[in-house]
Amino acid sequence: GQQLNQSPQSMFIQEGEDVSMNCTSSSIFNTWLWYKQDPGEGPVLLIALYKAGELTSNGRLTAQFGITRKDSFLNISASIPSDVGIYFCAGHPFYNQGGKLIFGQGTELSVKP
Amino acid sequence: GAGVSQSPSNKVTEKGKDVELRCDPISGHTALYWYRQSLGQGLEFLIYFQGNSAPDKSGLPSDRFSAERTGGSVSTLTIQRTQQEDSAVYLCASGGNRVIQYFGAGTRLSVL
Repeated sequence: GQQLNQSPQSMFIQEGEDVSMNCTSSSIFNTWLWYKQDPGEGPVLLIALYKAGELTSNGRLTAQFGITRKDSFLNISASIPSDVGIYFCAGHPFYNQGGKLIFGQGTELSVKP
Repeated sequence: GAGVSQSPSNKVTEKGKDVELRCDPISGHTALYWYRQSLGQGLEFLIYFQGNSAPDKSGLPSDRFSAERTGGSVSTLTIQRTQQEDSAVYLCASGGNRVIQYFGAGTRLSVL
């Protein structure tokens, strides 16, 4: 089935650094979601985006819905050790009548204190 | 409870045995999804229930996999004649009016 291209696949950064990850699609999406998954847990919603160009923040996290409606990015500023985990983007295709989402393959973030 | 609840949290079984995994969605949510996540991998869609509509079973990997949703609430994912490649974390999610999905903590299945 269709997948989103999420990059990078993994990141190893120093505490305090900023982080950026993104997702791209060949299809137009009408919703973009960003989730974080901690070890042994299910993904937890971080940010939801509903309009092209929308820029939304949640604490140190900022995400944007691309103007073309085919991409989104997530930035984390001043990373801390608890930011460690796997980040997933998810999109709802414009053509999809139901609630089914398309998920990216995830970005695994490691933060060195 | 307030969130999606899955049970058991861990399941160890022998190859060839059947297993049932349970999901209690958030009360009032009409949509329910099952995913499989292999170690270090992304989310593999399995099946989607929406209200009283016929489920979208397009992600089920084989006829050994089936799922039911009784009374529009609790769902059970059944894997018959388990194989070692079925070992994974099985995640359930539920959703309301918008497309946001809320996930449970998953069931970690180990097939020996």
